[in-house]
Amino acid sequence: DAKTTQPNSMESNEEEPVHLPCNHSTISGTDYIHWYRQLPSQGPEYVIHGLTSNVNNRMASLAIAEDRKSSTLILHRATLRDAAVYYCILRDAGRGNDYKLSFGAGTTVTVRA
Amino acid sequence: DGGITQSPKYLFRKEGQNVTLSCEQNLNHDAMYWYRQDPGQGLRLIYYSQIVNDFQKGDIAEGYSVSREKKESFPLTVTSAQKNPTAFYLCASSLQGQTEAFFGQGTRLTVV
Repeated sequence: DAKTTQPNSMESNEEEPVHLPCNHSTISGTDYIHWYRQLPSQGPEYVIHGLTSNVNNRMASLAIAEDRKSSTLILHRATLRDAAVYYCILRDAGRGNDYKLSFGAGTTVTVRA
Repeated sequence: DGGITQSPKYLFRKEGQNVTLSCEQNLNHDAMYWYRQDPGQGLRLIYYSQIVNDFQKGDIAEGYSVSREKKESFPLTVTSAQKNPTAFYLCASSLQGQTEAFFGQGTRLTVV
């Protein structure tokens, strides 16, 4: 499986942007980049995903490097409710590949009031 | 409402007993997953299933068993062979392709 590498933790002030990096140097051409986040004592929830182009939705933006070996999840204005563990994972959409969905340790985001 | 339901939320068992965790989804999803999470750690994949009557081992399948007799159900049995079963267990489901996975609220299993 293609692996991802994320910092263990990041801190931010409320109302400021948060940039969460993810390295995936062994990404294949058919791997999509997905982000999930997990609030304490809850199951993870989907945030955003993309293949090559930058993506925006109501929760966040995803910036993907031109060589696709890294990406950055951007929370534009952090709130206290954004304090969570953020996971960057790769999902292979290649033909014949199964639906295995593996998570790493993620980045713990702390938001200061 | 559509969703994925895990039950019970908290479960206590004596050491040496098998226990089955329930996971049901009414989203018509093909794929279902079971994960284990220990305190301060990420999610580790136990088993996953792409279609009915088929499932594959994940990264930490030893001491666990599953079945997929119906599309909407994917129960996980924690057997007595699992040496350290106390953990938070999460079930998820997804459609084919690059759609998002939906997670249940988890079952916290404590073995005493």
